[in-house]
Amino acid sequence: DGGITQSPKYLFRKEGQNVTLSCEQNLNHDAMYWYRQDPGQGLRLIYYSQIVNDFQKGDIAEGYSVSREKKESFPLTVTSAQKNPTAFYLCASSTIGQGYVDTQYFGPGTRLTVL
Amino acid sequence: AQSVTQLGSHVSVSEGALVLLRCNYSSSVPPYLFWYVQYPNQGLQLLLKYTTGATLVKGINGFEAEFKKSETSFHLTKPSAHMSDAAEYFCAVSFSSGSARQLTFGSGTQLTVLP
Repeated sequence: DGGITQSPKYLFRKEGQNVTLSCEQNLNHDAMYWYRQDPGQGLRLIYYSQIVNDFQKGDIAEGYSVSREKKESFPLTVTSAQKNPTAFYLCASSTIGQGYVDTQYFGPGTRLTVL
Repeated sequence: AQSVTQLGSHVSVSEGALVLLRCNYSSSVPPYLFWYVQYPNQGLQLLLKYTTGATLVKGINGFEAEFKKSETSFHLTKPSAHMSDAAEYFCAVSFSSGSARQLTFGSGTQLTVLP
């Protein structure tokens, strides 16, 4: 089945540690995205990537880093510089348009808790 | 700049009653509009989308939405609520950024279905 996988589902981190969240897709999509979800705030864009070895900051990139070494993979690192990292993190992917809308499809999410 | 407002962070309906979830948007260009549903601790699932053409859009699980340009609205409806419809619903507007399209999300509406 085609889709997006995220791992782990739950992640616990001590303060001062970096952690990396995995996102893999087998939909052959060019674009990939990372969102952060907090209660009552909807989803906010952290980073997105349209092509291998290239990515752009979203609205809340501070304290996060990403890489895009393969088309299928877009890992997110939450660094110790992120002041309030406890949240639900969602990865998405989409095609890039040729005159039609590029629907974003979402993975199941990773819940990160800082202890 | 694009923005989305979802009126009512919590909506309760009785099983079998009409579901109406409100979404208003602002966009400087013709919008592409989406409704997503999220069940607890899961990713977002696309319910329906409006791109161009027919303003009444039918989606999965019996939901539909009508694009009203004059009212800048894209409200989601379902004639008869089912217990399985209890979830959080997000409206989103799409815009171009480079060659990829980005989404701006509303803050979500939690739907409760009462027996």
